[in-house]
Amino acid sequence: DTEVTQTPKHLVMGMTNKKSLKCEQHMGHRAMYWYKQKAKKPPELMFVYSYEKLSINESVPSRFSPECPNSSLLNLHLHALQPEDSALYLCASSQDGLKETQYFGPGTRLLVL
Amino acid sequence: QQQVKQSPQSLIVQKGGISIINCAYENTAFDYFPWYQQFPGKGPALLIAIRPDVSEKKEGRFTISFNKSAKQFSLHIMDSQPGDSATYFCAASKRGFQKLVFGTGTRLLVSP
Repeated sequence: DTEVTQTPKHLVMGMTNKKSLKCEQHMGHRAMYWYKQKAKKPPELMFVYSYEKLSINESVPSRFSPECPNSSLLNLHLHALQPEDSALYLCASSQDGLKETQYFGPGTRLLVL
Repeated sequence: QQQVKQSPQSLIVQKGGISIINCAYENTAFDYFPWYQQFPGKGPALLIAIRPDVSEKKEGRFTISFNKSAKQFSLHIMDSQPGDSATYFCAASKRGFQKLVFGTGTRLLVSP
């Protein structure tokens, strides 16, 4: 089973709202990733957690705040977003930080009004 | 040096034809080359992947050809079907890198 689940599927939020995206995997993977994908573009890496510690932050604005409560869960907290942050947010996982194969979730479609 | 160049940007193939998508990389340290298939509104799904120790890998109708000296790799979809219509991304990485370097994507349309 190579399933990564994400909730919610869709999210509409105003620029003053606070919301969270959730990602879950039960494959025993120890590395988890957040990506942002704009239409007709490849996914852009935002954050990497390896063994529940933040290992990569790709200079993402502080209005995006990741959290890894345990090895199966990954959250992305959103606050004071801008309309240009509207995108598909993808979560992925891999066996560990050394294994390259990443499995993606279905994504959360975010619209910021 | 971290780029992966992908072509064509879009491709139209008739049902039953062969779809070919090409990628080129510069960083010789890359040693893992996956292809992802993405349908609209869905996450990318791993299709097939190859390492430089083999020149070709086949899984069903999907084949990766790899040319280490030219630093190029390609995806061939044999007997293309309308259900293959999607965006395909090549990518490259290396052990411990924790990043996938994606190509720009190819939108494939298989006409009935």
